[in-house]
Amino acid sequence: AQKVTQAQTEISVVEKEDVTLDCVYETRDTTYYLFWYKQPPSGELVFLIRRNSFDEQNEISGRYSWNFQKSTSSFNFTITASQVVDSAVYFCALSEADQTGANNLFFGTGTRLTVIP
Amino acid sequence: ETGVTQTPRHLVMGMTNKKSLKCEQHLGHNAMYWYKQSAKKPLELMFVYSLEERVENNSVPSRFSPECPNSSHLFLHLHTLQPEDSALYLCASSQDPPPSTDTQYFGPGTRLTVL
Repeated sequence: AQKVTQAQTEISVVEKEDVTLDCVYETRDTTYYLFWYKQPPSGELVFLIRRNSFDEQNEISGRYSWNFQKSTSSFNFTITASQVVDSAVYFCALSEADQTGANNLFFGTGTRLTVIP
Repeated sequence: ETGVTQTPRHLVMGMTNKKSLKCEQHLGHNAMYWYKQSAKKPLELMFVYSLEERVENNSVPSRFSPECPNSSHLFLHLHTLQPEDSALYLCASSQDPPPSTDTQYFGPGTRLTVL
């Protein structure tokens, strides 16, 4: 079963519009971490944020904000006043603290965001 | 952030060639990872090295051979690849060795095309 689901495969918005990227996760662990990464056309996965399961406070960083809702197992990402440079593929990921194996970072399939000038 | 570098950025090779991908991390991290990213698929973890020892080999075919000579460098040696191996190969590193929930920092990737 997919641990991280990003239902939106592609989104297009016009510059200056706000856009929300959805992420739903599935875990039985009580301690876990959620991540967002940005992958621009250059290919590099750029780390954006890491949140632990005990901190449900929403976070804002400039035009970026994240809404963590444990009740719905969601960790959504909003870009305010989008810009062309925001065009990229965005990945949500989950890391489970109770896992003993080396493979404990699970990625969603990504959402491709296109910001139209 | 240019903490993790990868060379080459692009590679085209025939099925009988032998080539190597190189990754270097400048972050003082203790763990390094190889991932494969194919179109329309989630990232696939291939190998994990912790303090230069391989701790995970995720059922990767033997035509992919990793090498970690020290904690800053990671190689992926390629030989007799198949066209379906064409993908973006990403290297990452993290401070804590697995199992860990530490943030992984990624390099820019090598875009590999196998003809």
